[in-house]
Amino acid sequence: TQLLEQSPQFLSIQEGENLTVYCNSSSVFSSLQWYRQEPGEGPVLLVTVVTGGEVKKLKRLTFQFGDARKDSSLHITAAQPGDTGLYLCAGGGGDMRFGAGTRLTVKP
Amino acid sequence: DAGVIQSPRHEVTEMGQEVTLRCKPISGHNSLFWYRQTMMRGLELLIYFNNNVPIDDSGMPEDRFSAKMPNASFSTLKIQPSEPRDSAVYFCASSLAGPYSNQPQHFGDGTRLSIL
Repeated sequence: TQLLEQSPQFLSIQEGENLTVYCNSSSVFSSLQWYRQEPGEGPVLLVTVVTGGEVKKLKRLTFQFGDARKDSSLHITAAQPGDTGLYLCAGGGGDMRFGAGTRLTVKP
Repeated sequence: DAGVIQSPRHEVTEMGQEVTLRCKPISGHNSLFWYRQTMMRGLELLIYFNNNVPIDDSGMPEDRFSAKMPNASFSTLKIQPSEPRDSAVYFCASSLAGPYSNQPQHFGDGTRLSIL
């Protein structure tokens, strides 16, 4: 089983601040996906990164896949209360598993 | 288009009772996944099917848990007998391909199960 560790586990910030959350593993993945989960709902895919070093932007969210394809980061610029949720990473290309997630709270 | 549909949304029952959770995947998706989510253990993959065939059930906790997929549009997860430690949110997800691909998984809204 390829384990994915996410950090921080919890993050509480004020509206307008920037933040970065991380997803790390000792295993190489052919791809990595980021999901966001809101209370009472299932996770929803945000992005898939495939190439080592790849950077993808989704409005204020920037996703990066590490050069060695073992880690990834998610950076949010000028966070808004609507960004509140549980952010999960999931590794593909093997025995796919989800990380435990980062629970983000953005206070108005 | 309809997403993944799970029922019931909430289930409260006493320990020892049989519990059946249901899932209708997105039409055309050939992979279906059952997950369990708790605060302590996060999102755990229980079992996944490809073309209605169980491929990996290594995440199923024990013999009390069973899953079936009689056709491409329906799957069940059954717990018999249920125990309080089975309390969790159970998610079903479907995908165009198995977990070894880059295809996204589409999740239902989950069934919140409470065993008293």
